[in-house]
Amino acid sequence: DTAVSQTPKYLVTQMGNDKSIKCEQNLGHDTMYWYKQDSKKFLKIMFSYNNKELIINETVPNRFSPKSPDKAHLNLHINSLELGDSAVYFCASSRGQGGVRYGYTFGSGTRLTVV
Amino acid sequence: DAKTTQPPSMDCAEGRAANLPCNHSTISGNEYVYWYRQIHSQGPQYIIHGLKNNETNEMASLIITEDRKSSTLILPHATLRDTAVYYCIVRGLLHTDKLIFGTGTRLQVFP
Repeated sequence: DTAVSQTPKYLVTQMGNDKSIKCEQNLGHDTMYWYKQDSKKFLKIMFSYNNKELIINETVPNRFSPKSPDKAHLNLHINSLELGDSAVYFCASSRGQGGVRYGYTFGSGTRLTVV
Repeated sequence: DAKTTQPPSMDCAEGRAANLPCNHSTISGNEYVYWYRQIHSQGPQYIIHGLKNNETNEMASLIITEDRKSSTLILPHATLRDTAVYYCIVRGLLHTDKLIFGTGTRLQVFP
């Protein structure tokens, strides 16, 4: 019954590895997002997709590549992981474009630790 | 890039009203005020939003001043489970407008 689900919840990996985080929403929302929360607890938007189309692409290293196979899924693939990538990554979704009227629904986060 | 200013922390006794202030003096006419909260180790949770009228839902009330330069989120009867970081966010109506989180207010509800 989870509205926005992310897997895995925890991910520990070595520098240089490639990893993916998956996100699925069962709310029928049109737009999905990836946010990063660093060690200082700052939440920053990374990407947003609306009906599989990239809408927002913040200044994020090219090693990060979002993929949206359909509007219910938005995965995040990270190549050549670095220590600075360690953070909590949150997926979110919203009804309509931009979540203006109804707000965002966030997942519970994926804690990525790069060692 | 956050356009809001909030006190870093506040305390509130359980059962009392928690009033969380937010200044957004540079808000423009087409920007909404949103409130989210983040309970420890969870994702942010949408609470409420408004443009210029006061709003109320099952979670909270939002009072926006007439000049729209500040607002107050009111939790009428705070519980221990309301302990969280509360974020006040100003954003526009376009789908390309971003939800930008600032540092928020850490609300501690005590017994």
